[in-house]
Amino acid sequence: QVHLEQSGAEVKRPGSSVKVSCKASGGSFRSEAIHWLRQAPGQGLEWMGGIIPMFGTTNFAQSFQGRVTITADESTSTAFMELGSLRSDDTAMYYCARVPIPLAIRAYFDIWGRGTLVTVSS
Amino acid sequence: EIVLTQSPHTLSLSPGERATLSCRASQSVSSNYLAWYQQKPGQAPRLLIYDASSRATGIPDRFSGSGSGTDFTLTIARLEPEDFAVFYCQQYGSSPLTFGGGTTVEIK
Repeated sequence: QVHLEQSGAEVKRPGSSVKVSCKASGGSFRSEAIHWLRQAPGQGLEWMGGIIPMFGTTNFAQSFQGRVTITADESTSTAFMELGSLRSDDTAMYYCARVPIPLAIRAYFDIWGRGTLVTVSS
Repeated sequence: EIVLTQSPHTLSLSPGERATLSCRASQSVSSNYLAWYQQKPGQAPRLLIYDASSRATGIPDRFSGSGSGTDFTLTIARLEPEDFAVFYCQQYGSSPLTFGGGTTVEIK
């Protein structure tokens, strides 16, 4: 049974950065892409980007290009998302999610983490 | 970027009724790569349907997906009390991956 465990809630100041982790267990971490999505309070889902750990291949939404870094550590089966230059409208629940198709950078998401709440406030 | 428009915004129905949710794309979705998710308050989304009409593992057969090109539908044959939630469509045929704005299915 695949499980994604995310790091805990964060409170950050505007202009700072946040790094969220997502530890996978039970699957084929190396070949299955992990993506990051977010959901602002009361709003819909927004895709940020993803990575195939085996190759380090990444794919990002243009709106986050240059501000987000997605990495993966195969030794610990953990993916990371770092978002910089935080603004108040980055306040959201951040989810990691798995693509179940090996080596597919772009697909649907069958397993989701429980989410990490990031609050940006001065 | 493919824009997905879901309708209606809210659907008020009673348990046992049939729910029909629409997702319209601004351009054709490649290979009908469209998924549907259900999200309940305080929970992460749950995958229901992928490739427009394939049910995900463990999803009851009262949930079905159909459509192609730019018009897709999620049907819930007979609503159970646990089905009331927000539903999102997502396309993965082209980058960026995009989601619809959601349809809330509420108890009438």
